[in-house]
Amino acid sequence: KAGVTQTPRYLIKTRGQQVTLSCSPISGHRSVSWYQQTPGQGLQFLFEYFSETQRNKGNFPGRFSGRQFSNSRSEMNVSTLELGDSALYLCASSLTPGTLNTEAFFGQGTRLTVV
Amino acid sequence: GESVGLHLPTLSVQEGDNSIINCAYSNSASDYFIWYKQESGKGPQFIIDIRSNMDKRQGQRVTVLLNKTVKHLSLQIAATQPGDSAVYFCAEKRNNAGNMLTFGGGTRLMVKP
Repeated sequence: KAGVTQTPRYLIKTRGQQVTLSCSPISGHRSVSWYQQTPGQGLQFLFEYFSETQRNKGNFPGRFSGRQFSNSRSEMNVSTLELGDSALYLCASSLTPGTLNTEAFFGQGTRLTVV
Repeated sequence: GESVGLHLPTLSVQEGDNSIINCAYSNSASDYFIWYKQESGKGPQFIIDIRSNMDKRQGQRVTVLLNKTVKHLSLQIAATQPGDSAVYFCAEKRNNAGNMLTFGGGTRLMVKP
């Protein structure tokens, strides 16, 4: 079956602009989580969505937001981009958030460069 | 390919040798631990997991050891192969926190042929 699909793969934006990234989870998966990966901070949790509701949120400013649609696809938005937002943004798809050993499957990520 | 960390600790091993990658975690409330492998240009890929009520779990060529007393996790890879070259991350998960993962800093494994 198809894996987690993230679009676009690469993106270049200017400071002050806003950006929307998309994630299509594995068919049947209803939980989508987003992570930011940078050389300095590593992998950091942004937020998790399940049944169109945000379940958990990491320690990021309000410029970072997300949503989930009824088909489980998710988008994340970053407004008023800063140079420090340059990162690889990863989406992880899971069946549900209910059990501890629910495996998370990651997409290839979207590489965002802010200039 | 994608650069996932310019200043990661690096472990360099000879092909066929065993590798041990270590991880210290901080949250004593963590209930579940996972090791991920990330190759250049790809997202993290699940390798092996362990619940907090266990101290050892074995998979194919991989073993995870958990020492809760000192909050230490290790990944052992037997007979390391060139295809094992990647960045390895440990991650923690807590009960009642959905699928939120807290990742360690990562270790780059380089396998010399």
